[in-house]
Amino acid sequence: DAGVTQSPTHLIKTRGQQVTLRCSPISGHKSVSWYQQVLGQGPQFIFQYYEKEERGRGNFPDRFSARQFPNYSSELNVNALLLGDSALYLCASSWDRPAYEQYFGPGTRLTVT
Amino acid sequence: GENVEQHPSTLSVQEGDSAVIKCTYSDSASNYFPWYKQELGKRPQLIIDIRSNVGEKKDQRIAVTLNKTAKHFSLHITETQPEDSAVYFCAASKKTSYDKVIFGPGTSLSVIP
Repeated sequence: DAGVTQSPTHLIKTRGQQVTLRCSPISGHKSVSWYQQVLGQGPQFIFQYYEKEERGRGNFPDRFSARQFPNYSSELNVNALLLGDSALYLCASSWDRPAYEQYFGPGTRLTVT
Repeated sequence: GENVEQHPSTLSVQEGDSAVIKCTYSDSASNYFPWYKQELGKRPQLIIDIRSNVGEKKDQRIAVTLNKTAKHFSLHITETQPEDSAVYFCAASKKTSYDKVIFGPGTSLSVIP
């Protein structure tokens, strides 16, 4: 039984560039949430998607956007990258709502230089 | 705004002793409280959770207690083992029109053999 998968594993970008991160939820899970985890801190909520609709957004600028596809996979896009965007980006899926039993992927380590 | 505090930030115990991590939350509407364990370089893993209609839940050496009146909850690990060494995150969420999971800053637990 495959868990949540994310790609790529690592990514290095320069300031001002754009990046797209991908997530595939556990089979049967309809909800995907994205989190940013800066080294030494807890995950910070960015977006929640449920049934292909954005259901929640955290305190992140409009440079961050996301979408969910009919197969429930999801993409996170970040435009005009800043040094401060360097972090581990985690995707989490749950069967119904992320308020219950949410499972994380391995994350994408983004480094902005 | 919504906030989850967690104490202590670091905890060192001898193998076989117990470890206790405490969290407080600000939003009285929160009704789901998961705990995650994150080993170095790995994804957060759900280890136990509790819902607001329950005061205590136990799973082998791990237990969680919840005091809704005081808005705090705790993780108890008994008979600690070196493999329990990791960063532990508490979190709180509520089921509304959208769901946002708020994480605490984490506790780094070291179990000394």
